[in-house]
Amino acid sequence: KNEVEQSPQNLTAQEGEFITINCSYSVGISALHWLQQHPGGGIVSLFMLSSGKKKHGRLIATINIQEKHSSLHITASHPRDSAVYICAAPRERGGTSYGKLTFGQGTILTVHP
Amino acid sequence: SAVISQKPSRDICQRGTSLTIQCQVDSQVTMMFWYRQQPGQSLTLIATANQGSEATYESGFVIDKFPISRPNLTFSTLTVSNMSPEDSSIYLCSVDGDYGYTFGSGTRLTVV
Repeated sequence: KNEVEQSPQNLTAQEGEFITINCSYSVGISALHWLQQHPGGGIVSLFMLSSGKKKHGRLIATINIQEKHSSLHITASHPRDSAVYICAAPRERGGTSYGKLTFGQGTILTVHP
Repeated sequence: SAVISQKPSRDICQRGTSLTIQCQVDSQVTMMFWYRQQPGQSLTLIATANQGSEATYESGFVIDKFPISRPNLTFSTLTVSNMSPEDSSIYLCSVDGDYGYTFGSGTRLTVV
């Protein structure tokens, strides 16, 4: 079982739809990362969150540390949101992150006009 | 957050040759990370590069195949040596700064 698991693996939506991507992890972490990877391969960090909720434009990320679960929501989706979304957890020892990330498998999102 | 310039963005190489990928960061960072993403797979950590010491490699990766240099706190290179088609992947560098992780734009390598 992977330490970080995402669902769904593939997601197709129509423009304007509300989208949710889920991430569950089995290790104790202090923060979780949501990343976006475009077809060229480059990765952009969207959120780093350790509790509650963060919002940036149409993107919202939530995390429940006790349940070891996080969600990424996209409101009013647009074709330019089409990308791979990846959640990642830092590897930690004794409560201290030593800088390496464990990645989920990624969710391939396609938004049709 | 830090800004990383990664070169080249893509390359097509003959098997048996080597390719060196460069990452330049606009600020000093202690650790830099090199990842590989094989087609259809998630990212896998190759090694952690610290300035002034040898890189630390993850299980399954060896220095002879993926030599890394880290001459100062803003620069690192990863070489993919004696390439085979199985090395065709996206290679990314990353740093862990004060505001979270920053990634390079990636190098898409195709070995023919």
